[in-house]
Amino acid sequence: AQTVTQSQPEMSVQEAETVTLSCTYDTSENNYYLFWYKQPPSRQMILVIRQEAYKQQNATENRFSVNFQKAAKSFSLKISDSQLGDTAMYFCAFISGYALNFGKGTSLLVTP
Amino acid sequence: DSGVTQTPKHLITATGQRVTLRCSPRSGDLSVYWYQQSLDQGLQFLIQYYNGEERAKGNILERFSAQQFPDLHSELNLSSLELGDSALYFCASSVGRGAFGNTIYFGEGSWLTVV
Repeated sequence: AQTVTQSQPEMSVQEAETVTLSCTYDTSENNYYLFWYKQPPSRQMILVIRQEAYKQQNATENRFSVNFQKAAKSFSLKISDSQLGDTAMYFCAFISGYALNFGKGTSLLVTP
Repeated sequence: DSGVTQTPKHLITATGQRVTLRCSPRSGDLSVYWYQQSLDQGLQFLIQYYNGEERAKGNILERFSAQQFPDLHSELNLSSLELGDSALYFCASSVGRGAFGNTIYFGEGSWLTVV
């Protein structure tokens, strides 16, 4: 079974600082995709970033970047220059077949 | 705006009742996914349809059913509702046959409260 683990239920960071959210996963597949989704208080699920397992280069989207360690099955999200609007639940997700499997989420609070 | 439309946004109903949640995927997307988000279970994959056919099943209860119509919109039917069915139900869509290799876009969800 594919599992996704987010070991940090809650995190806090000050505005303009950098924060890293952790995610590990378990799979026997060799090719798969990993995602980070953001869920703000509005509850909408917003795609933040996507990583393809066969690509060694870490994905980057503006202030968001990942550290993908395939051998360690680790996929962390780094948010640079944190903004108040980054306050949200962040979900790590994994695809190897038909659908996304999500972790339990990390609640991130950005403080002034 | 993801382009995935869900109705209704909020719904309150009594135990034992039946409700239907509706979803229109993004233009051009052939796959529709349904997810349930509850406080204790997190985000659970329920079911996926591709171009009208069921492709994958997750943790969907027998009291729940879904279908995708020729115009590609989808409906999730929830029957004999229980208090524990109260949750946020997401519809999502993607272009391809499965989630693999595709980006999945989510609608804003339908809040279901069972009283």
